[in-house]
Amino acid sequence: EIVLTQSPGTLSLSPGERATLSCRASWSVSSDYLAWYQQKPGQAPRLVIYGASSRATGIPDRFSGSGSGTDFTLTISRLEPEDFAVYYCQQYGRSQFTFGPGTKVDIK
Amino acid sequence: QLQLQESGPGLVKPSETLSLTCTVSGGSVSGRSYYWGWIRQPPGKGLEWIGSIYYSGGTFYNPSLKSRVTISVDTSKNQFSLKLSSVTATDTAVYFCARAEYNFDYWGQGTLVTVSS
Repeated sequence: EIVLTQSPGTLSLSPGERATLSCRASWSVSSDYLAWYQQKPGQAPRLVIYGASSRATGIPDRFSGSGSGTDFTLTISRLEPEDFAVYYCQQYGRSQFTFGPGTKVDIK
Repeated sequence: QLQLQESGPGLVKPSETLSLTCTVSGGSVSGRSYYWGWIRQPPGKGLEWIGSIYYSGGTFYNPSLKSRVTISVDTSKNQFSLKLSSVTATDTAVYFCARAEYNFDYWGQGTLVTVSS
């Protein structure tokens, strides 16, 4: 079973700043099968990035994903007020899905 | 536009079986190569994949829950269902249904299930 670790647990930043979130896998993950989600309080998660680097429908281009193997990164180039939320990475492999523990991006 | 909606009891007694249904509209549960899955989120905690059923009927479960979980599909009603047996307070969570190919692109709004006597 692949375990995902996310860091930092909390990221305190101001609007306009750059956010860099990390997701590390215990074993190599195919880039095709690594995704990122945004979740706001009381809402279902929203797909942000799939295939490690492709933006989902309606996601602004300030969001970007990168990485391969065991290390993946979600970058938000300039934080907007609506970007403050919890972000989860997720991997798929052998018909199993795993989520990371999440990174909370909050307002400094 | 695909929509998913969870339904079921909001309160379940300890040791009983939690049963939820997800109704899909705007698409077919038997169409194309998708997984239809259940994910839960205990209050204030992260997301946990419970299991999924493939469009062809194959089921796949989280190893930590496998002994208690059954996921099934009713193509005539365009629904899929979750049964979680022998629940305890630690099963209290918001339960989401969702569609996946390799990632979950459509989600239901979630339903809170509380396990309490």
